[in-house]
Amino acid sequence: GAGVSQTPSNKVTEKGKYVELRCDPISGHTALYWYRQSLGQGPEFLIYFQGTGAADDSGLPNDRFFAVRPEGSVSTLKIQRTERGDSAVYLCASSSTGGYTGELFFGEGSRLTVL
Amino acid sequence: SQQGEEDPQALSIQEGENATMNCSYKTSINNLQWYRQNSGRGLVHLILIRSNEREKHSGRLRVTLDTSKKSSSLLITASRAADTASYFCATDDSGGGADGLTFGKGTHLIIQP
Repeated sequence: GAGVSQTPSNKVTEKGKYVELRCDPISGHTALYWYRQSLGQGPEFLIYFQGTGAADDSGLPNDRFFAVRPEGSVSTLKIQRTERGDSAVYLCASSSTGGYTGELFFGEGSRLTVL
Repeated sequence: SQQGEEDPQALSIQEGENATMNCSYKTSINNLQWYRQNSGRGLVHLILIRSNEREKHSGRLRVTLDTSKKSSSLLITASRAADTASYFCATDDSGGGADGLTFGKGTHLIIQP
């Protein structure tokens, strides 16, 4: 597609449930990033993929969070046993250059609300 | 963790005036980027300035970088109502630290018509 696509755009779930958020990056971009943004804050880094592998997962807050990118394109962020504190906008970005030195192209985000 | 810190947190000016936002950071960097975010939308890249550059222009945008003070400024000249948005600076850590490209909390800019 022309840009980074994220689905769903909105997700409301109950505490304790499992959630999957999907990101479809710009075609040909090998680098993919997940960020989380709380209200009034800047994006907070979660994980960075180069190709199929997680090059840096240091931002994942705990083992309830997991992300995959099995074919080096679409990525899924998985959150187990959701908590109210997980409520935020989850942003995905992709880049053609990789690492942290180039321009990131962001999707519109998936807004997660945990009741 | 958030390395960048924008100042001011909020800025309201009249259309046509210039808007200046500042960013301070903590570690050595390879480059610094500025992004814009309209309410409820994703971030859009505005400009990237490398650590060996001191000033860069793009249209109505002017960015400066002072690595000795670990600070950057973004100037938007002749502001328009459509410039209303939040503006974030983002830095990498040239020391190889983790945490990816780190963003500040942003400056919320309001342009009054």
